[in-house]
Amino acid sequence: DAGITQSPRHKVTETGTPVTLRCHQTENHRYMYWYRQDPGHGLRLIHYSYGVKDTDKGEVSDGYSVSRSKTEDFLLTLESATSSQTSVYFCAIRAGGTGELFFGEGSRLTVL
Amino acid sequence: GQQLNQSPQSMFIQEGEDVSMNCTSSSIFNTWLWYKQDPGEGPVLLIALYKAGELTSNGRLTAQFGITRKDSFLNISASIPSDVGIYFCAGSINTGTASKLTFGTGTRLQVTL
Repeated sequence: DAGITQSPRHKVTETGTPVTLRCHQTENHRYMYWYRQDPGHGLRLIHYSYGVKDTDKGEVSDGYSVSRSKTEDFLLTLESATSSQTSVYFCAIRAGGTGELFFGEGSRLTVL
Repeated sequence: GQQLNQSPQSMFIQEGEDVSMNCTSSSIFNTWLWYKQDPGEGPVLLIALYKAGELTSNGRLTAQFGITRKDSFLNISASIPSDVGIYFCAGSINTGTASKLTFGTGTRLQVTL
């Protein structure tokens, strides 16, 4: 158990509304990541953070923003949700100095 | 971006059989990871590989880091029903800083009794 909690676990929203997903970790890991998972695409990196207020873009960052004001929380925001953002979103942390990532249980977002 | 080709996409096997799957990349990696995902859950790390040619086991699972650094293989011996799930390979080029993993599209494994 990597001590990662994602919320909400499920959300249905309408096109154009803002959505924020939260990732909370309990073990003070420096690196945190947001991925999305879609059929046929595997997991793709949206944004990642390498410290408080230090974030960078991944390969599919358009339409998403992130914030990290505390070590334990990494927020993913969709300013104006679109149907193409219907997906399962996973938060991950990197434990220690290895390249190994550990994932949360996911947040399923449906944009109608 | 980088592409990882994972094969086969899906496979049906009988309990007790051995399973092999592989992952190939158009570019080199210095870390290969293998994950398993059950329905409704996040991926769980199975095996991590850090050196070209490395062969690592975890119970009935064995994975290898290809010599060219562009491929990796996962074998499952004597499969059991709980092996059902989706297996993902993932590669990373930098381990000293933020590890940005590139994932394959997965191999769906189904085991029949």
